[in-house]
Amino acid sequence: EPEVTQTPSHQVTQMGQEVILRCVPISNHLYFYWYRQILGQKVEFLVSFYNNEISEKSEIFDDQFSVERPDGSNFTLKIRSTKLEDSAMYFCASSPGGGANYGYTFGSGTRLTVV
Amino acid sequence: DQQVKQNSPSLSVQEGRISILNCDYTNSMFDYFLWYKKYPAEGPTFLISISSIKDKNEDGRFTVFLNKSAKHLSLHIVPSQPGDSAVYFCAASRENTGFQKLVFGTGTRLLVSP
Repeated sequence: EPEVTQTPSHQVTQMGQEVILRCVPISNHLYFYWYRQILGQKVEFLVSFYNNEISEKSEIFDDQFSVERPDGSNFTLKIRSTKLEDSAMYFCASSPGGGANYGYTFGSGTRLTVV
Repeated sequence: DQQVKQNSPSLSVQEGRISILNCDYTNSMFDYFLWYKKYPAEGPTFLISISSIKDKNEDGRFTVFLNKSAKHLSLHIVPSQPGDSAVYFCAASRENTGFQKLVFGTGTRLLVSP
């Protein structure tokens, strides 16, 4: 079964450093997403990406965050200057269509620890 | 912003019995609902979904019921198995292409004991 692949599985970074989280969505999917889960809390939407541009973003997704699809396979989330509160599990997801009824496939996540 | 609520943080059930997980939502614009299962250190895995035009959807041991007037949905697992032990998230969204995000609840940790 096709998978969404995320690397690295765990990243530790110092506060103020830039991090890039990487994702390889399912190859024929058109919509890409980032979600995060702070420990013990709910999974929260960050951003959706379609046709090489952001289609929707949450209030969490401020100027410190950016997304990019640098080639035909990778989808990245960059945090420019990490803060302690950015520590969370970050999940990438992809779907073949734009509505929830198309189904989302999530990756296994990257645990980001900011120290 | 608690648009989707799962009021029970945990549930313990014996193997073979029914597990009932509940979810409430407040935004009447939601018309598509999903249940995800999550193991530690893994991403959410899709279980079952339901459109607001239905009040029930069944897939094997899993059945989701939707009560639109009460803005309430529930997931029934029958019979429960120890491998079902995980955190279950309810999520709400729309079938509209222009609304793409899932709004998750806080999750219910299910423990099925042998």
